[in-house]
Amino acid sequence: GAVVSQHPSWVICKSGTSVKIECRSLDFQATTMFWYRQFPKQSLMLMATSNEGSKATYEQGVEKDKFLINHASLTLSTLTVTSAHPEDSSFYICSASRGRGRNEQFFGPGTRLTVL
Amino acid sequence: GQQLNQSPQSMFIQEGEDVSMNCTSSSIFNTWLWYKQDPGEGPVLLIALYKAGELTSNGRLTAQFGITRKDSFLNISASIPSDVGIYFCAGSNTGNQFYFGTGTSLTVIP
Repeated sequence: GAVVSQHPSWVICKSGTSVKIECRSLDFQATTMFWYRQFPKQSLMLMATSNEGSKATYEQGVEKDKFLINHASLTLSTLTVTSAHPEDSSFYICSASRGRGRNEQFFGPGTRLTVL
Repeated sequence: GQQLNQSPQSMFIQEGEDVSMNCTSSSIFNTWLWYKQDPGEGPVLLIALYKAGELTSNGRLTAQFGITRKDSFLNISASIPSDVGIYFCAGSNTGNQFYFGTGTSLTVIP
């Protein structure tokens, strides 16, 4: 149990375009989903926390108008990188939490974004 | 956001040896998690700890929730080549948002 999927696993796009990444909890309902960004050989940096049906909470320094998060259901959250630029190239990973007292986060396999 | 101090930063060990790594925080946490990440993949949860002093095992892995609630330890016994990867600790004091450690890169030499 506690499987999280991400789609796509790898995307290459031109500068100025927008890219949507999906995160799904496959076998459980996720009260909260998280979006992280990871640069090579570095730790995970939390970008935002999203709860189903409400606005996401962004970490300091993360532009909410650039990284749009929609948590439409208890099993799906999406991250849209708008007007992507080469500096947005990174490994984006989502995680999902079941809540109810045991708040372990289960991670998706990640999405590698390359902006040309 | 807050980042936890994890040490050592990297380890090169011989197959069969035991491994120890730790994670420290300036804040008190009520939950500690340990993850392993392989290159190009998402982290995989290894062990979750919920009480100060708790000692939990998962196969050859053992993790402890420090008594001060500001640290946690992960031990791997009799390492094997597939233990290679980056290990991350994560701590939370809200039960919702977790802060991640800087990671320990483990290399096992056959």
